[in-house]
Amino acid sequence: DIQMTQSPSSVSASVGDRVTITCRASQGISTWLVWYQQKPEQAPKSLIYASSNLESGVPSRFSGSASGTDFTLTISSLQPEDFATYYCQQYKSYPYTFGQGTKLEIK
Amino acid sequence: QVQLVGSGGGVVQPGRSLRLSCAASGFTFSSYAMHWVRQAPGKGLEWVAVISYDGRETYYADSVKGRFTISRDNSKNTLYMQMNSLRDEDTAEFYCARDRQQLVLGDAFDVWGQGTTVIVSS
Repeated sequence: DIQMTQSPSSVSASVGDRVTITCRASQGISTWLVWYQQKPEQAPKSLIYASSNLESGVPSRFSGSASGTDFTLTISSLQPEDFATYYCQQYKSYPYTFGQGTKLEIK
Repeated sequence: QVQLVGSGGGVVQPGRSLRLSCAASGFTFSSYAMHWVRQAPGKGLEWVAVISYDGRETYYADSVKGRFTISRDNSKNTLYMQMNSLRDEDTAEFYCARDRQQLVLGDAFDVWGQGTTVIVSS
């Protein structure tokens, strides 16, 4: 199985800050990576697919990039509604696997 | 609009069975592969199973293989998960989710249901 190692597990930041979350795959997954946002008591929401493609309706302050087996989600200027938990997930092969999640909290 | 509505969750004793359903609307259900994903209380997301758009292919997580069966009825626009031999560790919120692209098997999810809660407890 492909292991996804996500870091940090939590981060505190302020409105307007730039935040970066990283995900590392245990083997090559090309660009078959998606980022989800989950708020308490809600289903996850897709933000970015194929490593860097913004889902329709997602603000442009969210961006994704890839370098080898390392993937990054960047939020350029945090807004109050961005405080949530973020997950990466590979869809290169079954079983699909998720990162452990990053909880983004207000400083 | 595109919508997935999960149902069928509840409280069940260890060793018993439960069947979850996910009703789809607002899109051509028979053209999309569908998944179940679960989340134990306070934990992260775990992919559980997938079924191809035509129902011919299925894949499972090792943790549920042999106990859970994913199926679909395209005439009813409904996805199912039959869960047998339930264990305490199966307690979770179960989400159904749709592949982004039509007529493929192996894509990210773009639509999620609201979740249905399964509690396995004696």
